[in-house]
Amino acid sequence: QKEVEQDPGPLSVPEGAIVSLNCTYSNSAFQYFMWYRQYSRKGPELLMYTYSSGNKEDGRFTAQVDKSSKYISLFIRDSQPSDSATYLCAMSVGPGANNLFFGTGTRLTVIP
Amino acid sequence: NAGVTQTPKFQVLKTGQSMTLQCAQDMNHNSMYWYRQDPGMGLRLIYYSASEGTTDKGEVPNGYNVSRLNKREFSLRLESAAPSQTSVYFCAIPAGDRGGMNTEAFFGQGTRLTVV
Repeated sequence: QKEVEQDPGPLSVPEGAIVSLNCTYSNSAFQYFMWYRQYSRKGPELLMYTYSSGNKEDGRFTAQVDKSSKYISLFIRDSQPSDSATYLCAMSVGPGANNLFFGTGTRLTVIP
Repeated sequence: NAGVTQTPKFQVLKTGQSMTLQCAQDMNHNSMYWYRQDPGMGLRLIYYSASEGTTDKGEVPNGYNVSRLNKREFSLRLESAAPSQTSVYFCAIPAGDRGGMNTEAFFGQGTRLTVV
C-alpha cells in the first residue's frame, strides 16, 4: 500500500465550476500537508501548506485536512482555464523537506 | 523557477554512459534536494544535502552519486546510465524562511533525461 493515494484523473470541468481534489494517506503520524500545482513541462510550485488539522483559505483555494479520516482536500472556486495543471499532494511526519511523501498527481483541465 | 537553476533541460543518453546534472541556487539555503518524477510513482527523493559538505541518501539513491560543491551548487551524477533512470529530475530547496525547518520545497524547472 502506498503511503499517499491520489486519483490520477483526468478531471475536466467547465470554467467557473468548483473543483475538489483529494488524497488519502495511511500514516497517522503525518503532520505537514501541502498542495503543489505543476504545469506541463514545469517544476511543481507550492500552492498551500497546512500544519495538522483544519482548513486554510487563500483566494480561490481552500485546503482541508481531516486527520481522523486520513484525508486531505483542495477546493478551487470559480475555476479558470489557467488552473489547468496537475495537482500534487504531499505530506510529511516532521519538519524539513527531506522526508516528503507525494501523491501521483491529479490532472485537471478547465474548459472555457 | 526563480532561485533554482538546473542544467541541462533535456538529455538523451545511451545505456552505460555517464553524465552530471547541475543545480545552482541563489537563495542562500543550507539544504538542497534531488528528486525524480516518474508516471504513476510521484516524486521521490534521491539524495539531499543539509549543509555544505554533507549529503544523505533518500528513498531511491541506487545508481546515483551527489556532490555538494559549495553552498550554492548540488550536482547529481549517473555513473553508468540505465533505462530505469529515464525520468524527470528536479532539484529543490526549502521554500520559506524557518531556519532550515521548512517542510515545503521550492523546485527547479527539471531535467528530462532519456536513457536508450
